[in-house]
Amino acid sequence: GENVEQHPSTLSVQEGDSAVIKCTYSDSASNYFPWYKQELGKRPQLIIDIRSNVGEKKDQRIAVTLNKTAKHFSLHITETQPEDSAVYFCAASMGGSTLGRLYFGRGTQLTVWP
Amino acid sequence: IAGITQAPTSQILAAGRRMTLRCTQDMRHNAMYWYRQDLGLGLRLIHYSNTAGTTGKGEVPDGYSVSRANTDDFPLTLASAVPSQTSVYFCASSPGQGAYNEQFFGPGTRLTVL
Repeated sequence: GENVEQHPSTLSVQEGDSAVIKCTYSDSASNYFPWYKQELGKRPQLIIDIRSNVGEKKDQRIAVTLNKTAKHFSLHITETQPEDSAVYFCAASMGGSTLGRLYFGRGTQLTVWP
Repeated sequence: IAGITQAPTSQILAAGRRMTLRCTQDMRHNAMYWYRQDLGLGLRLIHYSNTAGTTGKGEVPDGYSVSRANTDDFPLTLASAVPSQTSVYFCASSPGQGAYNEQFFGPGTRLTVL
């Protein structure tokens, strides 16, 4: 099955700085890569996703890049704010398949200091 | 009901007891999933169902069973609870059988097995 590795496990940044979280995956058939944000005590929520036919996608301060050749994808958060503090999970899936299963990384605890 | 709900919110259970975690969604989603979340291990898939009447095993299915008698409900049963099943359990659903579909998570059930 798919194996998704996520780094770093913890990340601390100063407010206003950028944060980057990186993930690698093992199955070249994977072609859908969502990112979820989980605030303390809350449920995971989708913040951005990318399909393999796109190299980069942006949504305001959040962007995701994908390198299919190297099998890695990254989440970039610019101008970080204290409310960005949360655990972030990357995931991979074979989009369009009958399974639709997501394989998650182990998460990154992001702390933004004011 | 709006979205996806889980019950109970939390539970303390004696080892060896049987327990069913409930999950209900009113979005008419075809696919439903059960994950467990443990510190440092991310979200691991226990069982899934692509459509009513079908179920499949995820990464960590041992000790758990599921059923999908209708579209809305996807209960998870622990036949004889053990302390290693202490975890936070999340139910999720997605619109279609394939990927490219956002998975919506329930609020979670915190289970402690003593």
